[in-house]
Amino acid sequence: DAGVIQSPRHEVTEMGQEVTLRCKPISGHDYLFWYRQTMMRGLELLIYFNNNVPIDDSGMPEDRFSAKMPNASFSTLKIQPSEPRDSAVYFCASSLDRGEAFFGQGTRLTVV
Amino acid sequence: AQSVTQLGSHVSVSEGALVLLRCNYSSSVPPYLFWYVQYPNQGLQLLLKYTTGATLVKGINGFEAEFKKSETSFHLTKPSAHMSDAAEYFCAVSQPSGYSTLTFGKGTMLLVSP
Repeated sequence: DAGVIQSPRHEVTEMGQEVTLRCKPISGHDYLFWYRQTMMRGLELLIYFNNNVPIDDSGMPEDRFSAKMPNASFSTLKIQPSEPRDSAVYFCASSLDRGEAFFGQGTRLTVV
Repeated sequence: AQSVTQLGSHVSVSEGALVLLRCNYSSSVPPYLFWYVQYPNQGLQLLLKYTTGATLVKGINGFEAEFKKSETSFHLTKPSAHMSDAAEYFCAVSQPSGYSTLTFGKGTMLLVSP
């Protein structure tokens, strides 16, 4: 398996634009997580899914953030409209039955 | 509720010296414990994990950690540091029942000097 695949690796966008981050989890994994990493706040869990169903989105900072998982092999995290304070590295991770989480390479988002 | 505290945001060692990265956790039930490593511009990679059984856990790259319930600790050690060990290390905790996610510590940057 190629591991968790995220795209794009880097994204630079202007404030107010819509941003969509994509994730393909490891085949067979039933949990999918979206994390955000910043210097100030460290690693924050934004939302996670179990069997494509959102379980806990209490970490999503604002209504500008939304996440979907239309099938077992694809998830998106959308920010609309984006703001400079959303600049961070966003990680997607997947796991099997609460085992260890496997992380993607991350998407470095810069909002100018 | 669960939480993780990593003592020291930065730890510096010389090549060949002992590495000790500290992690204390809080959990209402016996936890699962993990150490992850993050190299620059990379995602997190699992070093080792404790679920049940032997309290001394060996991981990749010569690292090991010991679960000490009485001290609520899960410190990471390596007998001899290598330059390639320079990275950020994260301790994490989860609970084995119900919907439980990983809660990460703030991370410790390990610096290795020649």
